[in-house]
Amino acid sequence: EAGVAQSPRYKIIEKRQSVAFWCNPISGHATLYWYQQILGQGPKLLIQFQNNGVVDDSQLPKDRFSAERLKGVDSTLKIQPAKLEDSAVYLCASSLEGFGSGNTIYFGEGSWLTVV
Amino acid sequence: AQSVAQPEDQVNVAEGNPLTVKCTYSVSGNPYLFWYVQYPNRGLQFLLKYITGDNLVKGSYGFEAEFNKSQTSFHLKKPSALVSDSALYFCAVGSSGNYQLIWGAGTKLIIKP
Repeated sequence: EAGVAQSPRYKIIEKRQSVAFWCNPISGHATLYWYQQILGQGPKLLIQFQNNGVVDDSQLPKDRFSAERLKGVDSTLKIQPAKLEDSAVYLCASSLEGFGSGNTIYFGEGSWLTVV
Repeated sequence: AQSVAQPEDQVNVAEGNPLTVKCTYSVSGNPYLFWYVQYPNRGLQFLLKYITGDNLVKGSYGFEAEFNKSQTSFHLKKPSALVSDSALYFCAVGSSGNYQLIWGAGTKLIIKP
């Protein structure tokens, strides 16, 4: 079974530029998550989708971050304009249904962003 | 409010010795508990979870964890550590009917030859 696919793996941009990350979840997984992980810290949920609807985006900095999951399958996370503090790993994950049912969340390898 | 604590930033163990990585939690309702491992420059990999049933849960790579309801703990254990177990370990907790999963800050495990 294929895992969660993410691209690009690594990206270096200058502050105020824009960047987009793409994620393809495990086939059949209804729930998709985007997490931000600062080096040395635990992951922080940015947004959670159930199919193509948003369940939680309370920690998404909406003035600069946006995410969409068209057709309820793959998803794109965009940052515009980027700030230095956005340097982090952006982890996409998926699960069969919403976490509340105890389903395991599976992560991709992450997209490593450096803002200079 | 839900919370999870990993009280040790780093754990050092000699190869071949048993290891324990600690996790305590606070939830209202029945807890769902997870352990994940993260190797350098990699995403998080699922190790094991407790949802219900037997308090001793066995997972990948020889790891196991024991759910202790009275102590609200879910410590990760392995009888004999390998150098390749060196990584960052995360505990996470949720509860039935609540979609939010709360993550610990992580514990760096260093296994010395």
